[in-house]
Amino acid sequence: TQLLEQSPQFLSIQEGENLTVYCNSSSVFSSLQWYRQEPGEGPVLLVTVVTGGEVKKLKRLTFQFGDARKDSSLHITAAQPGDTGLYLCAGQGGKLIFGQGTELSVKP
Amino acid sequence: EAGVTQSPTHLIKTRGQQATLRCSPISGHTSVYWYQQALGLGLQFLLWYDEGEERNRGNFPPRFSGRQFPNYSSELNVNALELEDSALYLCASSPGTRTDTQYFGPGTRLTVL
Repeated sequence: TQLLEQSPQFLSIQEGENLTVYCNSSSVFSSLQWYRQEPGEGPVLLVTVVTGGEVKKLKRLTFQFGDARKDSSLHITAAQPGDTGLYLCAGQGGKLIFGQGTELSVKP
Repeated sequence: EAGVTQSPTHLIKTRGQQATLRCSPISGHTSVYWYQQALGLGLQFLLWYDEGEERNRGNFPPRFSGRQFPNYSSELNVNALELEDSALYLCASSPGTRTDTQYFGPGTRLTVL
């Protein structure tokens, strides 16, 4: 069974701080996606990483896919209150497997 | 272009009743996926429909069922509701194969009393 473990599960930080969210698995994925979900809404796709070692930047967000395509990280620089939400990673290996999510709260 | 739409937004039922949730995919998308998002459990895959056929289902009992209509919209039915069925039910659509990016709707919040 393919599983994705996200950590931390909850994160509460002050505006301006940096943070990293991790997504780990023992399985290899052909690609990995990161979503952000706000209360009362469905997840919105942020990025898809495909190649081992790939790094993608989206403004203050940096996404990295592990060399072995089993893990990924999301780093946010100078977090802002607007970054608050649930961050989900999802691995594609024939079907989309979601991690448990990281609930991020950025306080002004 | 309209995104994935779901109805109703909220649904309150009592234990033992049946619930029907509806989803309209993005125009041109033929695949529809259903997920259950219960508190603390993340997104759990329920069902995948493509071109009117059920292609795969997750580890849920048979009282969770659905169908896809010729216009690619979909319905999720939950029979004999149990308290633990209370969750956000999300629908997603994609252009075709299971490996395409999935676009999510806002969800239906089902509460079972």
